Amino acid sequence: EAQVTQNPRYLITVTGKKLTVTCSQNMNHEYMSWYRQDPGLGLRQIYYSMNVEVTDKGDVPEGYKVSRKEKRNFPLILESPSPNQTSLYFCASSLSRGLGAFFGQGTRLTVV
Amino acid sequence: QQPVQSPQAVILREGEDAVINCSSSKALYSVHWYRQKHGEAPIFLMILLKGGEQKGHDKISASFNEKKQQSSLYLTASQLSYSGTYFCGTGFNSGGYQKVTFGTGTKLQVIP
Repeated sequence: EAQVTQNPRYLITVTGKKLTVTCSQNMNHEYMSWYRQDPGLGLRQIYYSMNVEVTDKGDVPEGYKVSRKEKRNFPLILESPSPNQTSLYFCASSLSRGLGAFFGQGTRLTVV
Repeated sequence: QQPVQSPQAVILREGEDAVINCSSSKALYSVHWYRQKHGEAPIFLMILLKGGEQKGHDKISASFNEKKQQSSLYLTASQLSYSGTYFCGTGFNSGGYQKVTFGTGTKLQVIP
């Protein structure tokens, strides 16, 4: 079954404690991206990756890092989380940039 | 840069029709439509790549007016299962690549 898998689904953490949200896809897609979803603001892109070792900033990259060492995996790293990063996060993948995307089930992050 | 969706919210009775509009201030290459049910991941509905293109499946269809830089999603004879938030994503040229930016969503509720 084609899918994008995120872990964890829910996470509560404290300010400043480094965390990683994992994302994996089994469709051999080249393009992967991370979004955050906040009420009234829709989906905003954090980072994207065109292929292995190729990543770039989206619209709201501050406070986040990513890496793409393998085609299937695209982890999101928050090195020093702050309360304003409390949000619902989605990973997505597509064959290439600009095509319809498959989204993961989301990670609800709370930073206290 | 975010496209503007209207209306922000709409309540329908089963069997009624609805139109959701999406407009952009930038020249568009493509328009993407997604539906997200509460607590779930956005699901890709369709993509329109050419001005004047119309697509649809079941009773959900969309049109793309490239000159007006807008798209409309048509839901005909709505069903309870159509409830959710609909997002449009507009693709435009950014540094030689196509970038997709999402609107803030239209919340659709279908009631019996």
